[in-house]
Amino acid sequence: ETGVTQSPTHLIKTRGQQVTLRCSSQSGHNTVSWYQQALGQGPQFIFQYYREEENGRGNFPPRFSGLQFPNYSSELNVNALELDDSALYLCASSLVTGGVNYGYTFGSGTRLTVV
Amino acid sequence: AQSVAQPEDQVNVAEGNPLTVKCTYSVSGNPYLFWYVQYPNRGLQFLLKYITGDNLVKGSYGFEAEFNKSQTSFHLKKPSALVSDSALYYCAVRDLESNYQLIWGAGTKLIIKP
Repeated sequence: ETGVTQSPTHLIKTRGQQVTLRCSSQSGHNTVSWYQQALGQGPQFIFQYYREEENGRGNFPPRFSGLQFPNYSSELNVNALELDDSALYLCASSLVTGGVNYGYTFGSGTRLTVV
Repeated sequence: AQSVAQPEDQVNVAEGNPLTVKCTYSVSGNPYLFWYVQYPNRGLQFLLKYITGDNLVKGSYGFEAEFNKSQTSFHLKKPSALVSDSALYYCAVRDLESNYQLIWGAGTKLIIKP
């Protein structure tokens, strides 16, 4: 089985620009979560998608948005980038059936630097 | 609100000695608990999880964790540390109130000295 893959691995953007990060779920998984991990900190939940709809959101502004596609892959979009958006962005996929989550598989992350 | 605490920023252990990385949690309802490891500039790798059953959970790379409901703890342990175990370790609990998002501890840096 394939794991979770994220692209790109590294990215440098200018303040005010927009960015799209991509995530391919592990085969058989139907749920995708995105996390932001600032340097020296634990991951912070951004949002989660299940069956192409957002079904959970953390304390992030609307300029953080996402999509999940029919093949369960996902995108994270960030508009009007700020310097504080510089972080490692992690995608995690999982299988949720009958209301039970069977565990999370993380990708290696995208390191975003905003200058 | 549900939360996870890792009281130690850093743990230093000599190679070959047993190691413990501490984690306590606060949840409403039954906890689903996880340990992940992160190497420099890498994503999070799953070590083990507790959902139900035996309080002693065995995971990857020789790690195990003990669930203690009365003390609301889920400490990570290994009988004999390796230098290659040096990494960041994160404890997490699933937040049932927010559709399964994971609530994370701040992480503990484990340093194994030869």
